[in-house]
Amino acid sequence: SAVISQKPSRDICQRGTSLTIQCQVDSQVTMMFWYRQQPGQSLTLIATANQGSEATYESGFVIDKFPISRPNLTFSTLTVSNMSPEDSSIYLCSAIGHYEQYFGPGTRLTVT
Amino acid sequence: GDSVTQMEGPVTLSEEAFLTINCTYTATGYPSLFWYVQYPGEGLQLLLKATKADDKGSNKGFEATYRKETTSFHLEKGSVQVSDSAVYFCALGITGGGNKLTFGTGTQLKVEL
Repeated sequence: SAVISQKPSRDICQRGTSLTIQCQVDSQVTMMFWYRQQPGQSLTLIATANQGSEATYESGFVIDKFPISRPNLTFSTLTVSNMSPEDSSIYLCSAIGHYEQYFGPGTRLTVT
Repeated sequence: GDSVTQMEGPVTLSEEAFLTINCTYTATGYPSLFWYVQYPGEGLQLLLKATKADDKGSNKGFEATYRKETTSFHLEKGSVQVSDSAVYFCALGITGGGNKLTFGTGTQLKVEL
């Protein structure tokens, strides 16, 4: 199995600022993803983090707002830029490994 | 587009009660179906899956059968325990869809003594 850690686990940020969330996997994985879970809603895929190239964004999500990096096969970052209260969510990192999709514990973000 | 609908929670049961959490889906392709569980303070974990019609996924006493005719994948357990208290998510993934998952809204289960 793959174990995924995320940092920070939670944060409270002011509107207009940016926050970078780190995701570390304990083994090399083929694919990594970033999801968002807004209060009372289901998980929504933000983007696929591609190793060594630009991330692939889902409809409604753009690189300027959610820049993503994936410098190697075990690490990725998601930045939430120019935050507003509507960005208050749990952000989850996910990875495909050993034919199964694994999830990190999430980063709970509150924007005031 | 693809979507998953699951029953709203919270669901509160006494220990040893029978559990059913309903899940239905809409998909344009040939989906695989999953149940994930999220225990308090932890990440989502795969509970069980089924990859084609009539398949039954099972794990830790939980079962779900892929019903194509009713587009359903209901989660069941014959006798729940306090330790089963968690949030349960139904999800689908389309074969050839880049391993992306579409999730339901999650159902919180509380099991009391």
